[in-house]
Amino acid sequence: QVQLQQWGAGLLKPSETLSLTCGVSGGSFSDYYWSWIRRAPGKGLEWIGQIDHSGNNSNNPSLKSRVTLLLDTSKSQFSLKLTSVTAADTAVYYCARVQVRWIEGWLVPDYFDYWGQGTLVTVSS
Amino acid sequence: IQLTQSPSSLSASVGDRVTITCRTSQGITSFLAWYQQKPRKAPRLLIYAASTLQGGVPSRFSGNGSGTEFTLTISSLQPEDFATYYCQQLNYYPITFGQGTRLDIK
Repeated sequence: QVQLQQWGAGLLKPSETLSLTCGVSGGSFSDYYWSWIRRAPGKGLEWIGQIDHSGNNSNNPSLKSRVTLLLDTSKSQFSLKLTSVTAADTAVYYCARVQVRWIEGWLVPDYFDYWGQGTLVTVSS
Repeated sequence: IQLTQSPSSLSASVGDRVTITCRTSQGITSFLAWYQQKPRKAPRLLIYAASTLQGGVPSRFSGNGSGTEFTLTISSLQPEDFATYYCQQLNYYPITFGQGTRLDIK
């Protein structure tokens, strides 16, 4: 059974770097893309970005260049770093597995089928 | 691509049939998914490719649509279905979600 277990610091000060890791067990690591999503208090889901099995990132432009996604295939883990956090980055952060499919020679994301348990990250001075 | 769900909230009773609509600002193909989220839980995939039921999801859930209008229907509400529902498009980057539809018990 596929499981995603995530961890990282839950309380940050403004301007610090958010760092979360997601460990994957029970399935292949290289056949999928991997994504991060967040939900701020009182708001809906926001896609942060994804990383493919080659380490290529696709990130949400709304977060500009603050996002870095990394992959460690030897440990079946992927991680999120978000720099220069502010109170607006306070949210529950989720990692997720992304199913992919081939379309006209391109491998594209299809849906998010397994999710981590979520990590509440609070940014406060 | 912006996704607009309607209604934003809905009150219904056990046994009711409910439909949630998701409209996209541009036409998309079949890269449309629906998720259910309960408080303090991660989202759960219900439907992908607009109409394909994820394994383990009850058959009372169904999805339909194409182009710019998609629907999620629950044929007979059960107590465990009261939650927030999100649509998601994966046709274009950035991947986006609807604002959510909160389904409450009447």
